[in-house]
Amino acid sequence: GENVEQHPSTLSVQEGDSAVIKCTYSDSASNYFPWYKQELGKRPQLIIDIRSNVGEKKDQRIAVTLNKTAKHFSLHITETQPEDSAVYFCAASKGWGGATNKLIFGTGTLLAVQP
Amino acid sequence: NAGVTQTPKFQVLKTGQSMTLQCAQDMNHEYMSWYRQDPGMGLRLIHYSVGAGITDQGEVPNGYNVSRSTTEDFPLRLLSAAPSQTSVYFCASRTGTRRANEQFFGPGTRLTVL
Repeated sequence: GENVEQHPSTLSVQEGDSAVIKCTYSDSASNYFPWYKQELGKRPQLIIDIRSNVGEKKDQRIAVTLNKTAKHFSLHITETQPEDSAVYFCAASKGWGGATNKLIFGTGTLLAVQP
Repeated sequence: NAGVTQTPKFQVLKTGQSMTLQCAQDMNHEYMSWYRQDPGMGLRLIHYSVGAGITDQGEVPNGYNVSRSTTEDFPLRLLSAAPSQTSVYFCASRTGTRRANEQFFGPGTRLTVL
């Protein structure tokens, strides 16, 4: 089955710096890659996602890149702010456009933005 | 819309006890899933359903049962609780619409098994 590895497990940056979180997946049939943000004590919430037919997607300060050949995808946060501090999860699925609902998550990255 | 709701929020069980975690959604979503979250291990899929009457196993199904008799409800049953099942449990749902893949999570149930 699918396996998703995520690095680093913790990341500390200064406010205003950029943060990059990387994930690799094992199943070449995976075609949907979302990123979720979970604040302390809260539920995970989708912040951005990308499909396998797109190499990059951007939404304001957040961007995701996908390298299908290497089976890598990354989350980039620019101009970090203290409210970006949270745990970020990547995930992979073969579910885009199909019936499969299995979303496999990485182990999470705790991002701390120091003021 | 209330979205995805879960009850209870907190629960303490003794080893060997059984219980059901409730999950409901009012968005008419076809797909529903149960995850458990443990420190350093992310979110692991327990069971999922692609519609009423259809369920399948995820990554860590042992010790858990599910059923999906209606579109709205997807309860998770612990048959004989073990300390290894101490975790935070999240239910999630999403529409089956081809273009919409976002999973909406419930607020979670924190379960402690003594």
